[in-house]
Amino acid sequence: KQEVTQIPAALSVPEGENLVLNCSFTDSAIYNLQWFRQDPGKGLTSLLLIQSSQREQTSGRLNASLDKSSGRSTLYIAASQPGDSATYLCAVKIPGNQFYFGTGTSLTVIP
Amino acid sequence: GAVVSQHPSRVICKSGTSVKIECRSLDFQATTMFWYRQFPKQSLMLMATSNEGSKATYEQGVEKDKFLINHASLTLSTLTVTSAHPEDSSFYICSARDRTRVHEQYFGPGTRLTVT
Repeated sequence: KQEVTQIPAALSVPEGENLVLNCSFTDSAIYNLQWFRQDPGKGLTSLLLIQSSQREQTSGRLNASLDKSSGRSTLYIAASQPGDSATYLCAVKIPGNQFYFGTGTSLTVIP
Repeated sequence: GAVVSQHPSRVICKSGTSVKIECRSLDFQATTMFWYRQFPKQSLMLMATSNEGSKATYEQGVEKDKFLINHASLTLSTLTVTSAHPEDSSFYICSARDRTRVHEQYFGPGTRLTVT
């Protein structure tokens, strides 16, 4: 069974710092990997989606990488802002359209 | 972009009662919808897969008689929590798969259920 782990569980950084969130998964037979943002008590906002054949995706200050063979993905956030404070979830989609979600990283950006 | 709505956004009910949560795809048709549950400070766990016009498929450990799922149309799936107990208090999120773009899934905003 696919297991998805995220490290660290919580992270606090001063505004302006660059940071990296990590995600690992146990089964490399994935269809894609997606990073989401979740604000307290809210649903999910999709940030980046990487297909299994891709190595990275970029959107603005966000860059996500995927190393399927080692079962790892990273989300890089450049020049962090207080508005980036949220919980970040990675999820892998397996064939059959089922998502497996990671445990999340709670990010706080201090002004 | 594709929008999925959930209703209600928050609900409080008494122990022993039933509560229904709706998941709607607003601008696309969804042959498949997924229901997730998220306990405080935990990640989302898939509960069941809802297929239009057929029975839902439940994940291991999820009681199908307690969590009734109905997917009667291409834009609506409902989750009914029957005989709710305080331990059912959770955040329930649905996602819907666009029938014309089968690898795209869109998530609803979630429903916060509190059972007193």
